[in-house]
Amino acid sequence: EAEVAQSPRYKITEKSQAVAFWCDPISGHATLYWYRQILGQGPELLVQFQDESVVDDSQLPKDRFSAERLKGVDSTLKIQPAELGDSAMYLCASSLEPPNTEAFFGQGTRLTVV
Amino acid sequence: AQKITQTQPGMFVQEKEAVTLDCTYDTSDQSYGLFWYKQPSSGEMIFLIYQGSYDEQNATEGRYSLNFQKARKSANLVISASQLGDSAMYFCAMLIGGFKTIFGAGTRLFVKA
Repeated sequence: EAEVAQSPRYKITEKSQAVAFWCDPISGHATLYWYRQILGQGPELLVQFQDESVVDDSQLPKDRFSAERLKGVDSTLKIQPAELGDSAMYLCASSLEPPNTEAFFGQGTRLTVV
Repeated sequence: AQKITQTQPGMFVQEKEAVTLDCTYDTSDQSYGLFWYKQPSSGEMIFLIYQGSYDEQNATEGRYSLNFQKARKSANLVISASQLGDSAMYFCAMLIGGFKTIFGAGTRLFVKA
């Protein structure tokens, strides 16, 4: 069964360092999402792509976070420099196209900033 | 403001019994969608059920049903015949503006043997 692939599964980094996460959505899914989930809370949308275009990045802290999906397939989320408060689960999801379609999630990358 | 509220941080249910997880939402949109996702301890989010705002019948998917009360802006999830494997976090989510999904804070369900 097709699934959303994310790597790494776990990442520990020191504050002020750079860190990057990778996501490969399900083949054919035009919409890709990056969510941040702080322990004990629901996922918060950071950025949403439609093909290679950003359609929503209103909650992305643009001074330190960046995201790209150059060929409209896989995507990279980068944090530079990382801060202690960035410790969270970073979830990638994809869907065929909104509306009315469920998003399929990857297993996430758990980031710990020390 | 667009918002999803889940007021139950945790719920206990006896195995084989039914349980209702509450969800209320706030939106000024006329067209929207409501989802429920399950998140086991392993971390992945699993889609359970979807209800469109114009759907007249409540959605059902196997043991899951969505009790949609539009006037009250509620979209409660009902799990029938609970199983031990149902123990997980459950998130209610809303699709707004045709493309953006927002999530509630979640409810942790514990199924007792």
